[in-house]
Amino acid sequence: DQQVKQNSPSLSVQEGRISILNCDYTNSMFDYFLWYKKYPAEGPTFLISISSIKDKNEDGRFTVFLNKSAKHLSLHIVPSQPGDSAVYFCAASVGTGNQFYFGTGTSLTVIP
Amino acid sequence: ETGVTQTPRHLVMGMTNKKSLKCEQHLGHNAMYWYKQSAKKPLELMFVYSLEERVENNSVPSRFSPECPNSSHLFLHLHTLQPEDSALYLCASSQVLGAPGNTIYFGEGSWLTVV
Repeated sequence: DQQVKQNSPSLSVQEGRISILNCDYTNSMFDYFLWYKKYPAEGPTFLISISSIKDKNEDGRFTVFLNKSAKHLSLHIVPSQPGDSAVYFCAASVGTGNQFYFGTGTSLTVIP
Repeated sequence: ETGVTQTPRHLVMGMTNKKSLKCEQHLGHNAMYWYKQSAKKPLELMFVYSLEERVENNSVPSRFSPECPNSSHLFLHLHTLQPEDSALYLCASSQVLGAPGNTIYFGEGSWLTVV
């Protein structure tokens, strides 16, 4: 049973516009959420995270929003750049647990 | 450079071969992980080690055998694999296990093809 879901396998956005990547989860015990970025033939690179005590975390062009009642998080990239083209994974964990649960990824293409 | 190094990056092996994947982390972390990524599937956790002790084994077939000789090194020994085991194998590490705000950092992966 997949506890973290990314329902959009792909997304195309024009350079300079906003990219919004979405992630849903089912386990209300999750208290920490992460986004990773993956280029082809490389491992995932940590991008940004958010604790369940917050609803927003911002780092430069990247902002993650958390809606606990909807069990939904999103990653906003503004402005989008061609170098942002990659697969983005969201992940979730329970603070006291040993596991991170990953979505299947969304492939973002930023069109110059 | 993520601080987690995996070798080899690419491996082709026959079903009767024995090979090993190696992972080394230079981050001073205490926990290390093996994940498997197959096409169109989420990352699957295989094994977790904390301070060289295995704490998680997610129903992984015995043809995959992990080894953690110290907190900086992790191996995955492969024996009599099947073609469906072909995948990207990712090593990761984190500072600790089971702590709030724990973040894992991945290596670049080892692409395994079983023929």
